Amino acid sequence: SAVISQKPSRDICQRGTSLTIQCQVDSQVTMMFWYRQQPGQSLTLIATANQGSEATYESGFVIDKFPISRPNLTFSTLTVSNMSPEDSSIYLCSVGTWTGGETEAFFGQGTRLTVV
Amino acid sequence: DAKTTQPPSMDCAEGRAANLPCNHSTISGNEYVYWYRQIHSQGPQYIIHGLKNNETNEMASLIITEDRKSSTLILPHATLRDTAVYYCIVRVNAGKSTFGDGTTLTVKP
Repeated sequence: SAVISQKPSRDICQRGTSLTIQCQVDSQVTMMFWYRQQPGQSLTLIATANQGSEATYESGFVIDKFPISRPNLTFSTLTVSNMSPEDSSIYLCSVGTWTGGETEAFFGQGTRLTVV
Repeated sequence: DAKTTQPPSMDCAEGRAANLPCNHSTISGNEYVYWYRQIHSQGPQYIIHGLKNNETNEMASLIITEDRKSSTLILPHATLRDTAVYYCIVRVNAGKSTFGDGTTLTVKP
């Protein structure tokens, strides 16, 4: 299994500002993903963080709003830019690891963001 | 990734087996069935996964029908701490998961 650390665990931010969330994994992983969970809802995939290249965004998410970096195989950041109250959510980092020819996905504990 | 259908909620008595169904009638031959649970807005926790055969680990058992169009997650002796939202996901070996609404399991004393 992979141990994932996310920072910060929670934050309250002013509208119009930006917040960068960090995801650190204790081992090198092939795949890293970022999800959003809005209040009372299920998880929605934002993007796949690609090491050394631009992230791959899902429909409805754009790089200008959610820039992502992945400088190496153990670390990624997600920035929520120009925040509004609608961005209040839990943001989760997930990693995929290969085990016996199959992938397993593990999740961090999330960053609870409140925009006021 | 294939779409899954789960009942929105279920109750279970403490100490009894909890059987959580999942329909995935459009599953492809190379897609696995994964189960996760999320307790009180923590990060989702991996439970179990399988391709064709039934699987068992220390947490649960996974029963997949022969046609692979449905599966059942079994928690053999549910405890209050098993109260959570349970997600059934089908996906290829790519790590990216599409979450549905899941089943809210409430274990009652």
